[in-house]
Amino acid sequence: DQQVKQNSPSLSVQEGRISILNCDYTNSMFDYFLWYKKYPAEGPTFLISISSIKDKNEDGRFTVFLNKSAKHLSLHIVPSQPGDSAVYFCAARTSGNTPLVFGKGTRLSVIA
Amino acid sequence: DAEITQSPRHKITETGRQVTLACHQTWNHNNMFWYRQDLGHGLRLIHYSYGVQDTNKGEVSDGYSVSRSNTEDLPLTLESAASSQTSVYFCASSESLMGGYTFGSGTRLTVV
Repeated sequence: DQQVKQNSPSLSVQEGRISILNCDYTNSMFDYFLWYKKYPAEGPTFLISISSIKDKNEDGRFTVFLNKSAKHLSLHIVPSQPGDSAVYFCAARTSGNTPLVFGKGTRLSVIA
Repeated sequence: DAEITQSPRHKITETGRQVTLACHQTWNHNNMFWYRQDLGHGLRLIHYSYGVQDTNKGEVSDGYSVSRSNTEDLPLTLESAASSQTSVYFCASSESLMGGYTFGSGTRLTVV
């Protein structure tokens, strides 16, 4: 049973426009959420996170929104740049002693 | 600079052979993790460790083992390699359970 779901395998966006990547989760005990970015032949790198006590966290062009009632979070990238083209993984954990659970990832292509 | 390194970067092995993938970190992190990445599955947890002599099974641990004899290393052993274990393997470490992970660059393993 997949606890973290990224239902869009891929997304194409024009340079300068907004990219919105979505993530749903089923485990109501998750209270900390992270987004990772992965380029080919490299390991994932941490991008941004949000605690369940917040509904928004912003870092430069990247903003993560959390809707706890809907068990949904999204990553907004504004404006999108060609260098943002990568696979984005959503991850979540509970407050207990548990490792991160990752989604399947969404491949973002930003077209110049 | 502190880092996390995986070796080898690429390996081809035969079915039935024992294979060990190395993971070495100089962050002095207590927490270390092994994930595998497969198309359509995202990142799945194999084994993890919260300190020396501590090891725990993850979601897809069958056929794999780890040992933690020091803080820096968490080698992953495939006892008898199978074609289903062809994958890209990522090692990660973290300072605290509430923080993000730092990933290595991965090992691409092919079992023929």
